[in-house]
Amino acid sequence: GAVVSQHPSRVICKSGTSVKIECRSLDFQATTMFWYRQFPKQSLMLMATSNEGSKATYEQGVEKDKFLINHASLTLSTLTVTSAHPEDSSFYICSARGAKYEQFFGPGTRLTVL
Amino acid sequence: AQKITQTQPGMFVQEKEAVTLDCTYDTSDPSYGLFWYKQPSSGEMIFLIYQGSYDQQNATEGRYSLNFQKARKSANLVISASQLGDSAMYFCAMREGRGLTGGGNKLTFGTGTQLKVEL
Repeated sequence: GAVVSQHPSRVICKSGTSVKIECRSLDFQATTMFWYRQFPKQSLMLMATSNEGSKATYEQGVEKDKFLINHASLTLSTLTVTSAHPEDSSFYICSARGAKYEQFFGPGTRLTVL
Repeated sequence: AQKITQTQPGMFVQEKEAVTLDCTYDTSDPSYGLFWYKQPSSGEMIFLIYQGSYDQQNATEGRYSLNFQKARKSANLVISASQLGDSAMYFCAMREGRGLTGGGNKLTFGTGTQLKVEL
């Protein structure tokens, strides 16, 4: 089956630093990946759609300069949280679109900003 | 208006019993897909079942079945013979459009139902 990995699984950083999260499709190529954010006991909110070789499409209200997305290859998308602040602390999950309708999710990255 | 509505924040069911988790949706697109995901406390999203808007039959995957009532715009998940390992958060999600290109396949999630299976 299709496997998506995320790295790191957990990160604690100081306020003002930048954090990069990687999302990889391990056994398939993904032209489209998605980045979600989930606050405790809440639903997943789509942040942006990452397209290989082109700029990401951000959802309304998501700052593109704050959350930098790069989809440089068919198996890797990265999300960089720039100048992180405590309010950016959240669970970040990526997914990769399969050949048909499927979306395969990564295990998530828990970000804590002190 | 909410695109996906899950009205049950929490549900309890006894082991080996069946349970239905409700999901209603709102879309004007004739082509859409409905998904159910399970999220245990570890956080990963586990795909359970999919129903396309043009599918004639209700989807089934092992102990999971989807009660798709198109006219009512509902897509309830039925879990038969509940097991302790089924305790988790369950999310209903919808993709609008055929999802063939680029941003297609964007999923909109409901607020989730926390299921607790008891002995």
